Amino acid sequence: QKEVEQNSGPLSVPEGAIASLNCTYSDRGSQSFFWYRQYSGKSPELIMSIYSNGDKEDGRFTAQLNKASQYVSLLIRDSQPSDSATYLCAVTPGGKLIFGQGTELSVKP
Amino acid sequence: DAGVTQSPTHLIKTRGQHVTLRCSPISGHKSVSWYQQVLGQGPQFIFQYYEKEERGRGNFPDRFSARQFPNYSSELNVNALLLGDSALYLCASSSGTGVETQYFGPGTRLLVL
Repeated sequence: QKEVEQNSGPLSVPEGAIASLNCTYSDRGSQSFFWYRQYSGKSPELIMSIYSNGDKEDGRFTAQLNKASQYVSLLIRDSQPSDSATYLCAVTPGGKLIFGQGTELSVKP
Repeated sequence: DAGVTQSPTHLIKTRGQHVTLRCSPISGHKSVSWYQQVLGQGPQFIFQYYEKEERGRGNFPDRFSARQFPNYSSELNVNALLLGDSALYLCASSSGTGVETQYFGPGTRLLVL
C-alpha cells in the first residue's frame, strides 16, 4: 500500500463546474496536510494547508480533512481553464513531506 | 520578499559525472529540504537540513549527499550519475523541521545522458 494515494486521472470537468480531488494516507501519525498545484514543467505551488478535521475554505478552494477515515479532499468551485494542472496531495508527521502521485485536472472551456 | 531560489535551472551531464545543485531559502527560514521528482510521479524526499545539521534522510543511495551553510543555503551533490538520476530536483524552504509549510523553489532539471 502506498503511503499517500490519489484518485487516478486525468480528471476532466467543464468550465464552471466543481472539481473534486481525493487523497488517502496510511500513517495515522500524520499531522499536517497540504495541497499543491503543479503546472507542467513548473515546481509545486502551495494551495491549501489543513491541520484539523473539517473544512477549510480559501476563495474557490475548500480542503476537507477526516483523520478517522485518513482522507483529505480538495474541492475547486467554478473551475477555470487556468486551474488545469496536476494537483499533489502531501502529508507529514513532521519533517519530510510524503506526496501522492498527483491527479491531473483538465478544465474544458 | 524573494522566494526560494535554485541554480542552475537546467543541467545536462553524462553518466558517471558529478553534479552540485544549489538552493537559497526564503529569508528567515532555517530549514531546507531536497526532493527528487521524476516524470509522472510526486516528489520524493531526499534530505532535510536545519541549522546545518541533517534532520532527515530519504531512501536514496550514498551517492547523494547534501550540506547546509551558515547562511542557511544548501547544496545537493550527486556522484557517479546514472541515467535514472534524470529528474527535477526541488528545494523546499520552511521555518522549522516540524509540520510547517514547505515552499518550493523553481527546481533544477537534470538530464543524464
